[in-house]
Amino acid sequence: GQQVMQIPQYQHVQEGEDFTTYCNSSTTLSNIQWYKQRPGGHPVFLIQLVKSGEVKKQKRLTFQFGEAKKNSSLHITATQTTDVGTYFCAGPGGATNKLIFGTGTLLAVQP
Amino acid sequence: NAGVTQTPKFRVLKTGQSMTLLCAQDMNHEYMYWYRQDPGMGLRLIHYSVGEGTTAKGEVPDGYNVSRLKKQNFLLGLESAAPSQTSVYFCASSYKQGGNTIYFGEGSWLTVV
Repeated sequence: GQQVMQIPQYQHVQEGEDFTTYCNSSTTLSNIQWYKQRPGGHPVFLIQLVKSGEVKKQKRLTFQFGEAKKNSSLHITATQTTDVGTYFCAGPGGATNKLIFGTGTLLAVQP
Repeated sequence: NAGVTQTPKFRVLKTGQSMTLLCAQDMNHEYMYWYRQDPGMGLRLIHYSVGEGTTAKGEVPDGYNVSRLKKQNFLLGLESAAPSQTSVYFCASSYKQGGNTIYFGEGSWLTVV
């Protein structure tokens, strides 16, 4: 079945450093979504990308959808302690078009 | 704004006991989901529903049952709890599948001893 993998699983950075997480799907995606889950919290929707090669920005966060629509990345510039959490990508897959979540990247930011 | 509400938030069960997790959404969403989250495993879909009166199996359905008698409610049942079912359970809903945002509840922490 379709798989959505993310790397790295975990990253620890010093506050102010940049951070990138990568998402790779085994199949072409019609769209990709990103979610953030704070420690002890629930996943919260961040953004959706639909077009091949699309780039969207939210303040210090930059999201990119690959040209082949099989991969995506999230880049955070100058991390802050408020960025701590697990970042999930998700894309629709399978016969029923259910959203399949990636394995997530846990970001730790040291002040 | 309530969104997706889960009860209970915390529960400790003994092996073999049964329980039901309740989920309610007030966004008039057609689709509802139950996920479990375990360390290093991400979010795994247990069961889902595409509308009132419908249910379908997800990725890890064994040991769980669900019901969607009303559009706004989605119940997850454990008939005979096992320690392997110790997890955080998230209910979620969306207007449609695929390209629509999923809204999550705050989670239910279940421990089976």
